[in-house]
Order: sequence, then structure tokens, then C-alpha cells
Amino acid sequence: QVQLVESGGGVVQPGGSLRLSCAASGFTFSSSGMHWVRQAPGKGLEWVAFLRYDGNNKYYADSVKGRFTISRDNSNNTLYLQMNSLRAEDTALYYCAKDRFALIPNYMDVWGKGTTVTVSS
Amino acid sequence: QSALTQPASVSGSPGQSITISCTGTSSDVGGYDYVSWYQQHPGKAPKVVVYEVSNRPSGVSNRFSGSKSGNTASLTISGLQAEDEADYYCISYTSSNTVGVVFGGGTKLTVL
Repeated sequence: QVQLVESGGGVVQPGGSLRLSCAASGFTFSSSGMHWVRQAPGKGLEWVAFLRYDGNNKYYADSVKGRFTISRDNSNNTLYLQMNSLRAEDTALYYCAKDRFALIPNYMDVWGKGTTVTVSS
Repeated sequence: QSALTQPASVSGSPGQSITISCTGTSSDVGGYDYVSWYQQHPGKAPKVVVYEVSNRPSGVSNRFSGSKSGNTASLTISGLQAEDEADYYCISYTSSNTVGVVFGGGTKLTVL
């Protein structure tokens, strides 16, 4: 069945780095735009980044621009989020989500269960 | 990107209808028909209930409907049921400052 499984979360000190992965299955990953969305504890959803199907266009939220990098490996059906210069406010559950469109963000029709990132000293 | 504006909470009794608003600008909600709505139960991942303003995914109850007027989109849930109690979020494609996605702050629906 269609599935997204995130991994790579953990506890990291402020200023540190972490790389999240999202393994996709059950659909044509190489034809799908992909998102990262996060949710801080007790807070609402916040869009983080979008990557179009071929990896050529990347869009970021202002809050992470210059610190986070979204990428993909279509040969291994995997989406990544490289997070550098982490701050306490980056603490959240990070979801990977598939977009219905390939080229620009439209809507997220498949979501993973998320992986937790905690930034703390 | 600025968040879209949603009411923090709405409530209704079983069988009633409620409407949740989502107000943006001409650079997001008002400028594109890429508005979608998500339902999130506690501890669960979000699930899309309406996409492209007024379309329902397969498997979503026809009690959920969406519309848009100007810079404001709306989600209406008719015939409220206990299982509808959840958080609801709107999102929109945006071209403000930079291209991307903007979320609403979320609305807690309580079924009385």
C-alpha cells in the first residue's frame, strides 16, 4: 500500500545537525512532489519545504531557509531533510508528505507518521 | 510566509452544521484555487478532507464541503458526528515573497 516512513530523528544540541529520511513505497515516487511539514509540541502544523519530482526546484519556509536542505534520491525512493544550525524552536514532530502534483505545491494526499526532533542542551 | 487566519475554536451539537473560515491574501487564498483542508485527530497524522477549494478525495464523507470567496476559504461540515471532533487546518499555495505553502493556525472543533 502507499506508505511513507520517516526516520533519523533524535536529540541534538543547539547548533548541531541532523538528517531526516523518508522512505516511500506503493506509488511512483519519481513522479511526485514531496514536502516536509513539522508540528511543535502542542502547536499547529508548519510547512517546512517542498521539492518537485525531479529535484530541480526547492521551496522553503522563511524560518528554515539557509539552514535546512531538502533533497531526494529517486533511484531509492527516498526523501531527505538536512538540518543544520538547529535551534530550540526547531523541536517538533517532522512529517514527510506526498503532493498530488509533481511540479508545484498543491495538496498533500499521503502523510507519514513522523519522526521527532528535539533540540536541547 | 504569514499564516492564514482561522478561528481558534468552533463547536456544534450532533446533527448541526458548522463552518470554519480561512482568511489569507490575494497572494495565496485569493489568487489560487490550491486551497486544501486537513483533519487531524490527537496523536495522528493529518488527513486531507477537501482539496482545490471544493473537491473531496475518495472516501471522505460528503458531509465535508469547501468554498471560497475572495481571500477567504471555508470548510463546512454538515450533520456533525462525534468522530468529527478534531483539529482542522487550511493550507494554500502562496507566491508572497517566495513561492511555497502557507498553513492556517488550526481550528479545534468540539462536538458538544
